[in-house]
Amino acid sequence: NAGVMQNPRHLVRRRGQEARLRCSPMKGHSHVYWYRQLPEEGLKFMVYLQKENIIDESGMPKERFSAEFPKEGPSILRIQQVVRGDSAAYFCASCASGGSYNEQFFGPGTRLTVL
Amino acid sequence: GESVGLHLPTLSVQEGDNSIINCAYSNSASDYFIWYKQESGKGPQFIIDIRSNMDKRQGQRVTVLLNKTVKHLSLQIAATQPGDSAVYFCAENMEGAQKLVFGQGTRLTINP
Repeated sequence: NAGVMQNPRHLVRRRGQEARLRCSPMKGHSHVYWYRQLPEEGLKFMVYLQKENIIDESGMPKERFSAEFPKEGPSILRIQQVVRGDSAAYFCASCASGGSYNEQFFGPGTRLTVL
Repeated sequence: GESVGLHLPTLSVQEGDNSIINCAYSNSASDYFIWYKQESGKGPQFIIDIRSNMDKRQGQRVTVLLNKTVKHLSLQIAATQPGDSAVYFCAENMEGAQKLVFGQGTRLTINP
């Protein structure tokens, strides 16, 4: 049973380009979370999605960032017109169901570097 | 700001000794707490969790203690091994909320 998969593992972009990060949840999981981690810091919540729905995007920057989790295919975190401050590790987690007490399983992350 | 923080950013212990990693939280509405281990270049790995109706929970070589009176959480690792070297994060969740709030992290290093 494969775990949460993320690709690419490393992504390099120049300022102004777009970054697309993909997350495939664990089999049977329909809840996806995205977190961002700066070096030497904890993870910061960005967005929580279920299939075709954004449930909570309170941690997403208002501009340039968007997320989706279509009926078919992986969840996508999209960053438009990247800036150097977007350089970070982006982690996806999935959960079998919603609720506060359900374990979130994390993927290996995508490390974004903006030149 | 973050409602979860840690007392110590780094902790060094001798191999075989017990490790205690501490965490303070400020949100009294939080009712679920988790400890994660993160090795270099990897995603967080679940270690153990505890709900607010408990004050202690034990796993294999790990114990989590919760003191709601002082809003303090700790992770105890027995007989620390080289493979325990990692950054440890505590995280909290409030009932009804769907997001984890992470602390800064404690880097645990093992001395041979």
